Amino acid sequence: DGGITQSPKYLFRKEGQNVTLSCEQNLNHDAMYWYRQDPGQGLRLIYYSQIVNDFQKGDIAEGYSVSREKKESFPLTVTSAQKNPTAFYLCASSIELTPMSAQYFGAGTRLSVL
Amino acid sequence: AQTVTQSQPEMSVQEAETVTLSCTYDTSESDYYLFWYKQPPSRQMILVIRQEAYKQQNATENRFSVNFQKAAKSFSLKISDSQLGDAAMYFCAIPNIDSGYALNFGKGTSLLVTP
Repeated sequence: DGGITQSPKYLFRKEGQNVTLSCEQNLNHDAMYWYRQDPGQGLRLIYYSQIVNDFQKGDIAEGYSVSREKKESFPLTVTSAQKNPTAFYLCASSIELTPMSAQYFGAGTRLSVL
Repeated sequence: AQTVTQSQPEMSVQEAETVTLSCTYDTSESDYYLFWYKQPPSRQMILVIRQEAYKQQNATENRFSVNFQKAAKSFSLKISDSQLGDAAMYFCAIPNIDSGYALNFGKGTSLLVTP
């Protein structure tokens, strides 16, 4: 089955620790995105990538980093510089970067601070 | 920049009835798309329906349809014959050309379906 797999489903971070959220897609999509969702809020863009080895900052990139070494993988690292990381993180992909392309989402990762 | 406003934080509908969720937006683009996504308790975002601004005809997907008013920049979602499984958060979204067509989302409307 084609889709987007995010892991882990739940993640806990200790003070000063970097953690990495995995996002893998087998849809052969070019574009991938990371969003953050806080209670009572819509989704906000952290990073996006159009092609392999290229990515751009979104609205709230501070304290986060990404890589895109393979087309199917777009991991997100939450660094210790992100002072308020508790949130629900959603990864998405679309077949290409056009306004008509619908985005398809993974099931999300809930990150909490210990 | 594109913005999206959903003015109804919560809505309630009885099973088998019809409900309309409101969305207004702002964009400087002449051609664009609009989307409605559903987020059930599982929290996975699911595409409900898509509308192209150039198309006069309102999009329809089974029990879901839109009322697209381009001049008013309004994009409401109508759910007919509501079912218990329709209970979810609903988000209106518009692609942002300045961010690789990442979606700008509204804050969502929580839909409760009562038996």
